[in-house]
Amino acid sequence: AQTVTQSQPEMSVQEAETVTLSCTYDTSESDYYLFWYKQPPSRQMILVIRQEAYKQQNATENRFSVNFQKAAKSFSLKISDSQLGDAAMYFCAYRRGLGTSGSRLTFGEGTQLTVNP
Amino acid sequence: KAGVTQTPRYLIKTRGQQVTLSCSPISGHRSVSWYQQTPGQGLQFLFEYFSETQRNKGNFPGRFSGRQFSNSRSEMNVSTLELGDSALYLCASSLVQGGTNTEAFFGQGTRLTVV
Repeated sequence: AQTVTQSQPEMSVQEAETVTLSCTYDTSESDYYLFWYKQPPSRQMILVIRQEAYKQQNATENRFSVNFQKAAKSFSLKISDSQLGDAAMYFCAYRRGLGTSGSRLTFGEGTQLTVNP
Repeated sequence: KAGVTQTPRYLIKTRGQQVTLSCSPISGHRSVSWYQQTPGQGLQFLFEYFSETQRNKGNFPGRFSGRQFSNSRSEMNVSTLELGDSALYLCASSLVQGGTNTEAFFGQGTRLTVV
C-alpha cells in the first residue's frame, strides 16, 4: 500500500518570502502522479500543482514549484513570494499512474501554513 | 463551467438515523470519488464511481454506500449513523481520457454533525 507522510504539521513564513513544505511517500510502483492540494478555511480543496513520476523535470506553476526526487521518494513544494492568500492547509497526495484505472488519492496528514504580514 | 457542487453544505443528524449526500460533478466528468475528512484520521478515500459502477472502494464499513446516476451525479448514503461519522465529506470529479483519470477537482464539502 502507498503511504504519504508530511512531517511538518505547521509552518510559518513572512509575506514575500519563500517557504518549502516537505512530503515523502512510499510506493513500489514506478508510474504514479503526485499532487499538492491547498485547503483554505472555506474547506474546498484546490489543486496547486501536479507531477508525473515519469517526468524528470520539476513542475512549476507561477510562484509554486516542486522538487521531485524520485529515488529518495521526496516531493517538496516551494512557495516563492508568499502572499497572505497562501495561508491554508496544504496536502500532498499520491495517485497510481497510467495503465491503472481510477482516481483514488492517498493524502498526507497536511501542513498548516501561516503567512505573517 | 460550473465546478463540483455538493449539497447540502451542512447537516445535523441524530445517532441511528441515515443520511444522503449529493454531488454533481463538473460537466463531462464521469468519475466521482468521495472522501471523509476528520481531525483524527485525516482524508480517507471512501469510494469511486465511474459510468454508474463502483470502481474502487476504501476501507469503510458497509453502512457507507453510494451510487451514481446516468447523468454522473452521485449520492452517498450512511446508515445507522454513529458519532464518529461526524466529518467533512468531500466529493471530487475527474475526466477519464484514454482510460486514465485526469486530476481531481473537489467540491466544497458537506459538513455532517452527528449528535
